[in-house]
Amino acid sequence: RKEVEQDPGPFNVPEGATVAFNCTYSNSASQSFFWYRQDCRKEPKLLMSVYSSGNEDGRFTAQLNRASQYISLLIRDSKLSDSATYLCVVIMDSSYKLIFGSGTRLLVRP
Amino acid sequence: EPEVTQTPSHQVTQMGQEVILRCVPISNHLYFYWYRQILGQKVEFLVSFYNNEISEKSEIFDDQFSVERPDGSNFTLKIRSTKLEDSAMYFCASSGRGFTGELFFGEGSRLTVL
Repeated sequence: RKEVEQDPGPFNVPEGATVAFNCTYSNSASQSFFWYRQDCRKEPKLLMSVYSSGNEDGRFTAQLNRASQYISLLIRDSKLSDSATYLCVVIMDSSYKLIFGSGTRLLVRP
Repeated sequence: EPEVTQTPSHQVTQMGQEVILRCVPISNHLYFYWYRQILGQKVEFLVSFYNNEISEKSEIFDDQFSVERPDGSNFTLKIRSTKLEDSAMYFCASSGRGFTGELFFGEGSRLTVL
């Protein structure tokens, strides 16, 4: 079983749509969770951390369900500039190593 | 804004040749990483480096790979004898004091092994 699993997509949505991505992780020792964004042929960049209580940053909402080992990202009011690959990232306890999922590709069309 | 810089941006080499990829992390950062991404695949961890030594490494990071921080600013990845399957984008990343999970990545060095 993969350490971090994501639906590869692509999700093709119109501008203004709400879209949700899911991610599951296999190791219950996972301690910290993040969403990174990667534009085509570019480096990954941190989008947001994911906290146990859920957190919001503008149009982006991240949620964590430790019991189900499940992380989600919700994007409201999609913009053309949101088109990218969204990477679910997990860090294990006592580690500084980021484990990346394969990413979910989002295409926002006019 | 401080950034991680990598050179070269693209290197083409023959199988069996040695390659050195160079990185200059953000100056006050303490944690340094190499990741790679084969075209169309996920970002894979290779190695992390802290306090002048390797702190973690993956199964990919075998005896053909080595890292150095020779002068307090550069952070290099050496592949001793490249294989076709080493063709990938190699990303250097760094993180500051008080690890938060935010890694700052360079733009990557694309390695093509022929």
